[in-house]
Amino acid sequence: DTGVSQDPRHKITKRGQNVTFRCDPISEHNRLYWYRQTLGQGPEFLTYFQNEAQLEKSRLLSDRFSAERPKGSFSTLEIQRTEQGDSAMYLCASSLAGASTDTQYFGPGTRLTVL
Amino acid sequence: DAKTTQPPSMDCAEGRAANLPCNHSTISGNEYVYWYRQIHSQGPQYIIHGLKNNETNEMASLIITEDRKSSTLILPHATLRDTAVYYCIVRGGYNQGGKLIFGQGTELSVKP
Repeated sequence: DTGVSQDPRHKITKRGQNVTFRCDPISEHNRLYWYRQTLGQGPEFLTYFQNEAQLEKSRLLSDRFSAERPKGSFSTLEIQRTEQGDSAMYLCASSLAGASTDTQYFGPGTRLTVL
Repeated sequence: DAKTTQPPSMDCAEGRAANLPCNHSTISGNEYVYWYRQIHSQGPQYIIHGLKNNETNEMASLIITEDRKSSTLILPHATLRDTAVYYCIVRGGYNQGGKLIFGQGTELSVKP
């Protein structure tokens, strides 16, 4: 399967701990997006990269959140000093800029539970 | 905020066509209509998109009104596996890239 992959699929942590999630996009895709989804809501945009450059960040991305895409391939999303309100599904998507409509394809998500 | 309005829920009998409406009265001339669906606890799945012409693929058909202010996603022969939340999203093309703004979507229940 050559779709978007995310690791881990599930993460349980205690409040105050740091967590890091990884996303591997579809291999030729140069754009990578992070979204967050809480129960009963649609996904909300967090940030996106084109190659290595982080082009947009949402106000939802507080100082405790940092995302990187150092070589323009995989990306990591780190949450420092987790809070119970960070419990959510974290989704990654990728797309190919230069295609006519830049369609985003999503991974399976990482479900975070903060105790 | 999302630029689309969808009914919160719909039912459909298995084997019948499911017609999911979406209103996007403020759509701009260069904005596309995208449809995704999300089966419980999975990532959103891309279904189809269009600009102004009707589109069809192996999953669904997309009918966009002439004034582009509304559209309908058609699943021609719904199965139980089509039970999901369906999201209609308006976004720009390549030059306006970036985020998808999801609304609440329509929860489609396909029943035997």
